[in-house]
Amino acid sequence: AQKVTQAQTEISVVEKEDVTLDCVYETRDTTYYLFWYKQPPSGELVFLIRRNSFDEQNEISGRYSWNFQKSTSSFNFTITASQVVDSAVYFCALAPNSGGGADGLTFGKGTHLIIQP
Amino acid sequence: DAGVIQSPRHEVTEMGQEVTLRCKPISGHNSLFWYRQTMMRGLELLIYFNNNVPIDDSGMPEDRFSAKMPNASFSTLKIQPSEPRDSAVYFCASSSDMWGQPQHFGDGTRLSIL
Repeated sequence: AQKVTQAQTEISVVEKEDVTLDCVYETRDTTYYLFWYKQPPSGELVFLIRRNSFDEQNEISGRYSWNFQKSTSSFNFTITASQVVDSAVYFCALAPNSGGGADGLTFGKGTHLIIQP
Repeated sequence: DAGVIQSPRHEVTEMGQEVTLRCKPISGHNSLFWYRQTMMRGLELLIYFNNNVPIDDSGMPEDRFSAKMPNASFSTLKIQPSEPRDSAVYFCASSSDMWGQPQHFGDGTRLSIL
């Protein structure tokens, strides 16, 4: 069984602060994919990044960075110099090893990030 | 390019009525997923299709729910009869049928059962 835990239900910071969203996962698969999605107040789900379990390199995209640590089963997301537009609910998700084809995602409960001006 | 298109965006209906939600995946995507989002349970996978074939429907809550994908460009999720506890946002997503490909979501259907 797969499980994704986002222990932080809500985080509130002041604009320009750095913020890290935690994600811890459980899976019996040795290979898997991890994802982050953003859900702004308008409600759509926007894909941000995916990471293969083979690749433990950290990734940076502008103000966003991701830290994948297989040893601790964590895939944390950091926003540097946060902006009001970053306010949203952020979801971490896991795709099990389905043997080649697509498979459904297991989502965490999400972290509601509030950036105050 | 057009994204995943869901209709209707909002649906309000009375308990006991049949509800049909529709989804058009991104052209060229072979996999289609239906998810439900509620405050209590978060985002949960209901069913998914690969190449129009249902692969896993273990997330479908009960027999009142059914889903079809008659062709590569259209899918429906039907609830009959509907109940107030079915109120939720229903998302459709699509991706290529290779493992690990990101799923692209529609804007969702906000369903309210009175």
